[in-house]
Amino acid sequence: GAVVSQHPSRVICKSGTSVKIECRSLDFQATTMFWYRQFPKQSLMLMATSNEGSKATYEQGVEKDKFLINHASLTLSTLTVTSAHPEDSSFYICSAYARQVNEQFFGPGTRLTVL
Amino acid sequence: AQTVTQSQPEMSVQEAETVTLSCTYDTSESDYYLFWYKQPPSRQMILVIRQEAYKQQNATENRFSVNFQKAAKSFSLKISDSQLGDAAMYFCAYRPYTGTASKLTFGTGTRLQVTL
Repeated sequence: GAVVSQHPSRVICKSGTSVKIECRSLDFQATTMFWYRQFPKQSLMLMATSNEGSKATYEQGVEKDKFLINHASLTLSTLTVTSAHPEDSSFYICSAYARQVNEQFFGPGTRLTVL
Repeated sequence: AQTVTQSQPEMSVQEAETVTLSCTYDTSESDYYLFWYKQPPSRQMILVIRQEAYKQQNATENRFSVNFQKAAKSFSLKISDSQLGDAAMYFCAYRPYTGTASKLTFGTGTRLQVTL
């Protein structure tokens, strides 16, 4: 199956700093990628849809200035959490859409802890 | 807006037995996809099975099968011959049929325990 990587897998940062998370489709091109947030023992909540070469589409209630998304190439999307605060601590998961098989493939997730 | 409901927060099954996880959804669309995803302790999301709404035949993948009732908007997952490795969170998900990438809507999940 198609492989999606995320980097880093874990990150701890101080309050007020920015953190960048990368999502890469390793063996296919993805014009569309998705970013999710998952709190402990809860479901995945879609934050935004990332389209290559255009602005991301954010879900209602998600601050676009806080969660900056860039999809600069067909294999890479990045999520930057700006001025992170402890309430931003969470598990962030990306997925990439593989047009060839009409399916989303998920990355392994990034655990963000803001102190 | 589409919604997906999983009414069983937790389920337990003995090894080698069969268990059924429930899922209902609400949509006004006639064409769509339904999925069951597994999330083990590693938290990597794994696709278990997929159903296209236009197909009347229920999808099957080895020990995993679904009971898709379109009129009732029900999509349950049956796991046969349960194994210890089946222990995980299971999420039911809905996706519109648009021909291109579209959003997944997830249910709240069911935690499956497998006992000896």
